[in-house]
Amino acid sequence: KAGVTQTPRYLIKTRGQQVTLSCSPISGHRSVSWYQQTPGQGLQFLFEYFSETQRNKGNFPGRFSGRQFSNSRSEMNVSTLELGDSALYLCASSLGVRPSGELFFGEGSRLTVL
Amino acid sequence: KNEVEQSPQNLTAQEGEFITINCSYSVGISALHWLQQHPGGGIVSLFMLSSGKKKHGRLIATINIQEKHSSLHITASHPRDSAVYICADGLTFGKGTHLIIQP
Repeated sequence: KAGVTQTPRYLIKTRGQQVTLSCSPISGHRSVSWYQQTPGQGLQFLFEYFSETQRNKGNFPGRFSGRQFSNSRSEMNVSTLELGDSALYLCASSLGVRPSGELFFGEGSRLTVL
Repeated sequence: KNEVEQSPQNLTAQEGEFITINCSYSVGISALHWLQQHPGGGIVSLFMLSSGKKKHGRLIATINIQEKHSSLHITASHPRDSAVYICADGLTFGKGTHLIIQP
């Protein structure tokens, strides 16, 4: 059974640009969550989607957005990139909506903003 | 908003030692996750627990819902256990415990 797949794994952008990250969950999983990990702040919750509906949103500015498609794949977008957006972006999938369901994480997309 | 606190932040121990990592949270939760992250590696879910105790190999996790406290224990620790251990309710994460097991 394939795991959670995130693309791209690494990317470099410049300030002001926008970026789209993709997450394909484990087959059969309908819940996808996104997280930002930085050395200073640790892991922070961004969004949670279940059956194409955003169920929870973390405390991030409106430049951070996401969506989920009917096949449960999810994308997140960051517009007008800032240097502080440099981070590892992780997604996790689970069978059910939080709090039920073990989380299965992807390897992450490492974003560097110059 | 839940506050999740872990202790200790850093822990260095010798191979074979019994390890305990603690996690406290401020708001009642339905389930708590224990995660493991190796340097440069992805995150692996170790446990999700709502009550009582779970065991997987040399790892044991306990939770006391009334006291809002959970512990992760590692028996007969090994250098390959060296990693960052993180507890979370799924929305809020602890800062992590950096564990180093020396041979």
